[in-house]
Amino acid sequence: QKEVEQNSGPLSVPEGAIASLNCTYSDRGSQSFFWYRQYSGKSPELIMSIYSNGDKEDGRFTAQLNKASQYVSLLIRDSQPSDSATYLCAVNGRTGGFKTIFGAGTRLFVKA
Amino acid sequence: DVKVTQSSRYLVKRTGEKVFLECVQDMDHENMFWYRQDPGLGLRLIYFSYDVKMKEKGDIPEGYSVSREKKERFSLILESASTNQTSMYLCASSLNPYGNTEAFFGQGTRLTVV
Repeated sequence: QKEVEQNSGPLSVPEGAIASLNCTYSDRGSQSFFWYRQYSGKSPELIMSIYSNGDKEDGRFTAQLNKASQYVSLLIRDSQPSDSATYLCAVNGRTGGFKTIFGAGTRLFVKA
Repeated sequence: DVKVTQSSRYLVKRTGEKVFLECVQDMDHENMFWYRQDPGLGLRLIYFSYDVKMKEKGDIPEGYSVSREKKERFSLILESASTNQTSMYLCASSLNPYGNTEAFFGQGTRLTVV
């Protein structure tokens, strides 16, 4: 089992719709969770971080964390074509030291 | 702004060569990381360092070594380059030694081994 799993996609949504991206992780001791966006040919950049159960909202983005289910998600409201990118889920846990483990990413296409 | 700078954007090396990838960050971050990114596999951790002269193996350290002689600089070394090391290499740094702060990435080095 991979430590951090994401559906590779592609996920295709129409402009203005809600895009829902999901991620599961295996280390129950994980404490920090991140969503990064990566445009083609570019480096990942942070969108959201979340550390406690529940929802965290920042503009059009909402991160949701459920530690009991070992599940973290990212919702993008009012999706725009400029949101088309690969979204990487990253998890940092207690085991294995201070490393951050990334999922393989979900490709999102927002159709105009 | 945090800046993580990788020494080369593109590199072409021959099989068997010793290859050095350099990374410098300017924000006094404790943690530094080397990842490789391949299609369908995502970002895989090669090595990380949480302090000067300290290093820890990641998930795929075989064929690589690292050096961190100064806090701001983290080097990845391919001892004898092979074609299966053709990849995008990403360096990152983060502030907190416990890993619960965001990682800032360099622009990446696309290495081709021929």
